[in-house]
Amino acid sequence: DADVTQTPRNRITKTGKRIMLECSQTKGHDRMYWYRQDPGLGLRLIYYSFDVKDINKGEISDGYSVSRQAQAKFSLSLESAIPNQTALYFCATSDFQGSGELFFGEGSRLTVL
Amino acid sequence: GDSVTQMEGPVTLSEEAFLTINCTYTATGYPSLFWYVQYPGEGLQLLLKATKADDKGSNKGFEATYRKETTSFHLEKGSVQVSDSAVYFCALWNYGQNFVFGPGTRLSVLP
Repeated sequence: DADVTQTPRNRITKTGKRIMLECSQTKGHDRMYWYRQDPGLGLRLIYYSFDVKDINKGEISDGYSVSRQAQAKFSLSLESAIPNQTALYFCATSDFQGSGELFFGEGSRLTVL
Repeated sequence: GDSVTQMEGPVTLSEEAFLTINCTYTATGYPSLFWYVQYPGEGLQLLLKATKADDKGSNKGFEATYRKETTSFHLEKGSVQVSDSAVYFCALWNYGQNFVFGPGTRLSVLP
């Protein structure tokens, strides 16, 4: 099994719908992240969490919210999806005491019609 | 703020050709530098890293040297294979801050 698991892997939805992307990890890391990938733009940070009680906005948090349910679980929600939120979303983890390396899930491809 | 610039793609090479993907950065302090690779349908995975000036990271035949004087971390491979076709991301990380990624360079290797 993958160390960082994302569900769903693919989702097609309609404008205005609420969507939740879930991430769970077995690496025992404290830090978890949600990134968005768009062609030619690289990865942009949406939200990050350094522990269960610590949630921080990234560079593109508008239109998104997150929940850190446990050390191993970090969910991303789109309260009212819009077409320009169509993208590939990645969850990642890191170990504070490590070298800063990020460990990524396989991605969740979201299409908003 | 910190930033990473890498060469625009896509890059198309024939098998066994030499590969260079340029990466330059702007950052305060002494960041660690990384190359991540994304194979089709997969998440990003670390390819190599360097944590201080003049360090050389290497893995799977790929190399990159941390050049502080030119603020660069160019990725090289002497002989690419079809299986190297992927998107390559240069990134930097400063302690206490978040990762900064370049836009990615898509590499296609033809048999």
